[in-house]
Amino acid sequence: NAGVTQTPKFQVLKTGQSMTLQCAQDMNHNSMYWYRQDPGMGLRLIYYSASEGTTDKGEVPNGYNVSRLNKREFSLRLESAAPSQTSVYFCASSERGVSYGYTFGSGTRLTVV
Amino acid sequence: SQQGEEDPQALSIQEGENATMNCSYKTSINNLQWYRQNSGRGLVHLILIRSNEREKHSGRLRVTLDTSKKSSSLLITASRAADTASYFCATDSNNDMRFGAGTRLTVKP
Repeated sequence: NAGVTQTPKFQVLKTGQSMTLQCAQDMNHNSMYWYRQDPGMGLRLIYYSASEGTTDKGEVPNGYNVSRLNKREFSLRLESAAPSQTSVYFCASSERGVSYGYTFGSGTRLTVV
Repeated sequence: SQQGEEDPQALSIQEGENATMNCSYKTSINNLQWYRQNSGRGLVHLILIRSNEREKHSGRLRVTLDTSKKSSSLLITASRAADTASYFCATDSNNDMRFGAGTRLTVKP
């Protein structure tokens, strides 16, 4: 099925641990995005990749790094997890950037204790 | 910071009624999009309206855009229990898309 696949779906980390969230899309989209969703705050952009080989900071990039491994895959890394990073993380992709609708993955629910 | 703000925060209606949600924003935009999110799932794109458009339809959905008032509305006609979800507006300005906090719609059977 065409779409955006995120792994894992759930994760519990201890403060200071690191992990990588994986995202892959099979729609040949150029642009990919990582958002976090916190209660009452909507979605906030962490990082995005307008095209293969490029990445840029979004609204809340601190504490995160990203890698656009190839056109299909865009990973998000937490080097030293903090409780403030407890959130639901969504990956999205689009054909040509923000002027087109986004396709979202089903999310990763991360808890940092 | 959020660009779009949805109103109301929560809405509860009976099946068959119409549901109207509003979105206000602060800066000029290229387009405005509406998304639906079912509990525990990702967002699903519903409709995009460009800044030079005033109204758009898609099935039971009707979206209006008033750039002079910096506002948009989403109307769902003849609502169904399956329409129960959170609805988000997202504004695109200068290649930066921002989401509001959403309206939680409950449709009672």
